[in-house]
Amino acid sequence: GAGVSQSPSNKVTEKGKDVELRCDPISGHTALYWYRQSLGQGLEFLIYFQGNSAPDKSGLPSDRFSAERTGGSVSTLTIQRTQQEDSAVYLCASSLAGGSYQPQHFGDGTRLSIL
Amino acid sequence: GENVEQHPSTLSVQEGDSAVIKCTYSDSASNYFPWYKQELGKGPQLIIDIRSNVGEKKDQRIAVTLNKTAKHFSLHITETQPEDSAVYFCAASNGGGANNLFFGTGTRLTVIP
Repeated sequence: GAGVSQSPSNKVTEKGKDVELRCDPISGHTALYWYRQSLGQGLEFLIYFQGNSAPDKSGLPSDRFSAERTGGSVSTLTIQRTQQEDSAVYLCASSLAGGSYQPQHFGDGTRLSIL
Repeated sequence: GENVEQHPSTLSVQEGDSAVIKCTYSDSASNYFPWYKQELGKGPQLIIDIRSNVGEKKDQRIAVTLNKTAKHFSLHITETQPEDSAVYFCAASNGGGANNLFFGTGTRLTVIP
């Protein structure tokens, strides 16, 4: 079956511009996560959506970052007034449900480059 | 919060030999420990996971061991093949509200034919 789909796969933009990254989770998965992977580093948690509950935004690095999930499916991560330190690979994952022991399945990410 | 450390950062082995990657975690409440394999330009792929009520789990050439007392867990790959070459990440989760994963910094495994 289809896995987690992310678009675009690559995005190059100028400093100060806004960007939107999209994630289509696996069909039927109620939990959705965004992570950021900087060059040569592990993954850093950003935000978590579970069903209709309020999202857990505890990992967002600044108020320039926001995310929404419409209809419990597709999610968009928005970065406003991008800075060079925002350059990274942004990964989305989904799981069948939230909570412990639920395997997270990742998309291939969006590689964001800020000039 | 949880802190996961992973060693070594790079590992080279001859084809057919075994590879071992080790991780430690700080939060005794963590109860779920997945391992991911990431190939160049791809997202992490789950290869095996273990829960805190189990000490060892095996899937063909891959095994994971967990020592809750010492708060460390390890990935063992036997009979390595060139296609095992990738970056491997360990992670830990306490299953709390977000169940977000805390990742190690990765091990770049190279299997030499």
